[in-house]
Amino acid sequence: ETGVTQSPTHLIKTRGQQVTLRCSSQSGHNTVSWYQQALGQGPQFIFQYYREEENGRGNFPPRFSGLQFPNYSSELNVNALELDDSALYLCASSQSYWGYGYTFGSGTRLTVV
Amino acid sequence: AQRVTQPEKLLSVFKGAPVELKCNYSYSGSPELFWYVQYSRQRLQLLLRHISRESIKGFTADLNKGETSFHLKKPFAQEEDSAMYYCALSGPSNSGGSNYKLTFGKGTLLTVNP
Repeated sequence: ETGVTQSPTHLIKTRGQQVTLRCSSQSGHNTVSWYQQALGQGPQFIFQYYREEENGRGNFPPRFSGLQFPNYSSELNVNALELDDSALYLCASSQSYWGYGYTFGSGTRLTVV
Repeated sequence: AQRVTQPEKLLSVFKGAPVELKCNYSYSGSPELFWYVQYSRQRLQLLLRHISRESIKGFTADLNKGETSFHLKKPFAQEEDSAMYYCALSGPSNSGGSNYKLTFGKGTLLTVNP
């Protein structure tokens, strides 16, 4: 049984650019969530996908968007990058949308310069 | 609104001493409470959850609805317990439906000294 894998591990982008982060869910999990973790902070909920549909969103602007594919893998897209978008982005998958039993990936460290 | 407060950013104890990591929450309803742990250079992982009433690695946590707290305790700390600990809650949003999410505290860095 594989866990949650995220790619890339690290990324450096210029302000104004667009970025796509990828996540492969743990086998058997149909729910995926994305979190942003700024330095010294706890993870903050961006959005959640359940069976390919967004079913929850945190306080993030529309330039943060996502997709979940039929194999339950997922993408996080961020347009018009800002310096404050620099953070660790975590993907978590679960067998349900109830919020427990989430398995987290190692994250993608995004630096916007 | 959902809120989780971990009042201590840093906590340092000696090996063998009791340890308590504090967590208070704000939520209108019956949330599910969790503790997540992140060891050095490892990913975030679930330590224990209120619904299971379990003890993992000697840690326990009791939900006190009156005080809206979910403190994590261990009677005898070990050096390998040194890590970042996050308290988190999950529950439906105010709009109901299937909008569940985890709300995390800012974390407490526990250091167990030899």
